[in-house]
Amino acid sequence: DIQMTQSPSSLSASVGDRVTITCRTSQAIRNDLGWYQQKPGKAPKRLIYGAFNLQSGVPSRFSGSGSGTEFTLTITNLQPEDFATYFCLQHGSFPYTFGQGTKLEIK
Amino acid sequence: DVQLLESGGGLVQPGGSLRLSCAASGFMFNTYAMNWVRQAPGKGLEWVSAIDLRYSNDPDTHYADSVKGRFTISIDYSKNTVDLQMNSLRVEDTALYYCASSGTNGFWVWGQGTTVTVSS
Repeated sequence: DIQMTQSPSSLSASVGDRVTITCRTSQAIRNDLGWYQQKPGKAPKRLIYGAFNLQSGVPSRFSGSGSGTEFTLTITNLQPEDFATYFCLQHGSFPYTFGQGTKLEIK
Repeated sequence: DVQLLESGGGLVQPGGSLRLSCAASGFMFNTYAMNWVRQAPGKGLEWVSAIDLRYSNDPDTHYADSVKGRFTISIDYSKNTVDLQMNSLRVEDTALYYCASSGTNGFWVWGQGTTVTVSS
């Protein structure tokens, strides 16, 4: 199984800040990795697919990068609506696995 | 509108059974794989099962080790639903269960979830 290590588990930032969240995989994967945002009581929403492709309708302040075993989600110019939980998901091989999640809170 | 709607959750005793359904609308669900993902209270997400309808009339099915042998995923073509039959339920199966559709580019649409509580 591919293990996902997501860091940090929580993050405190201010509106206008730039933040970075990282997912490391236990073995190299292709770009079969996505980033998702989840708000309390809501279903996850895809932000990034294929490691770096921006989902249609998602603001360009969100970006994804990385390859191999290390992938990054970057959010620039944080907006109030961005404070949520973020997680990565690898769908390259079964069992699909999620990162543990990063809770982004307002400082 | 593209939509997934889960149903069938509820309270069940340990050892009991429950059947979840996921109704798809607004897209041809047999051109994607369909998944069940769960989230225990206060915990992260766990992929549970998938059924891949894209390549064969005899779909491939996959399960997490934690549910293998207890859960069965299937398609009800008459109702256009993906079902998850859950047997021998355990307290640790308590979670919000999401249905999600996936393709080459990952999980692109999710339902709102249905809650399963296993408790005596």
